[in-house]
Amino acid sequence: NAGVTQTPKFRVLKTGQSMTLLCAQDMNHEYMYWYRQDPGMGLRLIHYSVGEGTTAKGEVPDGYNVSRLKKQNFLLGLESAAPSQTSVYFCATRGVLFYMNTEAFFGQGTRLTVV
Amino acid sequence: QKEVEQDPGPLSVPEGAIVSLNCTYSNSAFQYFMWYRQYSRKGPELLMYTYSSGNKEDGRFTAQVDKSSKYISLFIRDSQPSDSATYLCAMSANFGNEKLTFGTGTRLTIIP
Repeated sequence: NAGVTQTPKFRVLKTGQSMTLLCAQDMNHEYMYWYRQDPGMGLRLIHYSVGEGTTAKGEVPDGYNVSRLKKQNFLLGLESAAPSQTSVYFCATRGVLFYMNTEAFFGQGTRLTVV
Repeated sequence: QKEVEQDPGPLSVPEGAIVSLNCTYSNSAFQYFMWYRQYSRKGPELLMYTYSSGNKEDGRFTAQVDKSSKYISLFIRDSQPSDSATYLCAMSANFGNEKLTFGTGTRLTIIP
């Protein structure tokens, strides 16, 4: 989706290294999400944000931190990468329109391998 | 028990067949129902979006929601090889509830 851009697309980390994944959106959406996708596990919510300056934990938040200093950007940080964090990470955004929740739009994903 | 259950498949059908994909859920507060299609090594993209119960049709695709049974379906008519992908259902509750809950996805292959 051209409106949600993830950086980088691929990355290989050594155990213990840190990195930040960036999600940028140009759709002026209020909600932003970080998911991880693993075989047989579906999409699991890591952290999410309902607006600039706010963040909340999802179902698998351990080992990750997030920040949303600007409405259009949502950062996901790994302070000390572990092999269990090898996964495909997706950012998604979602707007709120006329008192109805709208659908989520996804980025193209970041493939992270921790060795 | 997961809030949303979806058979992971894989499901293989011949070209031209009708495909039925399903999800069940346990949270009666869910009001918004979505189907996403995900091609290999790509992000999910919205296919169908339905609010509350009923049917919605878009070309070869039909989404059905039966809230009394907590059951949603996606039908694909005249299936094509280009329909080969993983299909994920997703749901959320009332306005103001920011969480979106996904099924695990069903991997579909259309055989030419």
